[in-house]
Amino acid sequence: EDQVTQSPEALRLQEGESSSLNCSYTVSGLRGLFWYRQDPGKGPEFLFTLYSAGEEKEKERLKATLTKKESFLHITAPKPEDSATYLCAGFDSNYQLIWGAGTKLIIKP
Amino acid sequence: NAGVTQTPKFQVLKTGQSMTLQCAQDMNHNSMYWYRQDPGMGLRLIYYSASEGTTDKGEVPNGYNVSRLNKREFSLRLESAAPSQTSVYFCASDLYNEQFFGPGTRLTVL
Repeated sequence: EDQVTQSPEALRLQEGESSSLNCSYTVSGLRGLFWYRQDPGKGPEFLFTLYSAGEEKEKERLKATLTKKESFLHITAPKPEDSATYLCAGFDSNYQLIWGAGTKLIIKP
Repeated sequence: NAGVTQTPKFQVLKTGQSMTLQCAQDMNHNSMYWYRQDPGMGLRLIYYSASEGTTDKGEVPNGYNVSRLNKREFSLRLESAAPSQTSVYFCASDLYNEQFFGPGTRLTVL
């Protein structure tokens, strides 16, 4: 069964303290790995798509990487405004997204 | 350019009542989706529409029906609401696999 698992469920960091969020997947025929950001009371907002192992993409303080089994979202010197829930999703062979439950990131000033 | 809009934002129903959640997008996207989001779980696909005039079941379609009224609008109907349908419902549309989400409808079924 296709599955996407995110860890940790929640992560509290001090402002400026870098860390990584993990997304491990078992998705047959993975056609892409997506990262989204979700703020409280809002819909998810697209961040990145990764298509092949070894691929990396960056946006401001965020960098997403992909291996054959997992993806990481690295956060460098985070700010309080980076606080949100980060979701990852795998695009399966039927072009359907399989979503993880998310990591809630809290950045304390 | 409003993106994806959903109405209502909040709704409380009694068991057995019916209602329709409305969704519209102004980005001229072909594909549209309905998801539900529950605490501790990932988004789960209810129904999707790859193009105007077509709809397909997702992972959790039971208890729901959809209508793709035109290219812009995709509605979700609960015919006889149950407490298990208490959730936050998101509509989305996509372009080149990047999905754009609406603000969600928070539904409580008593």
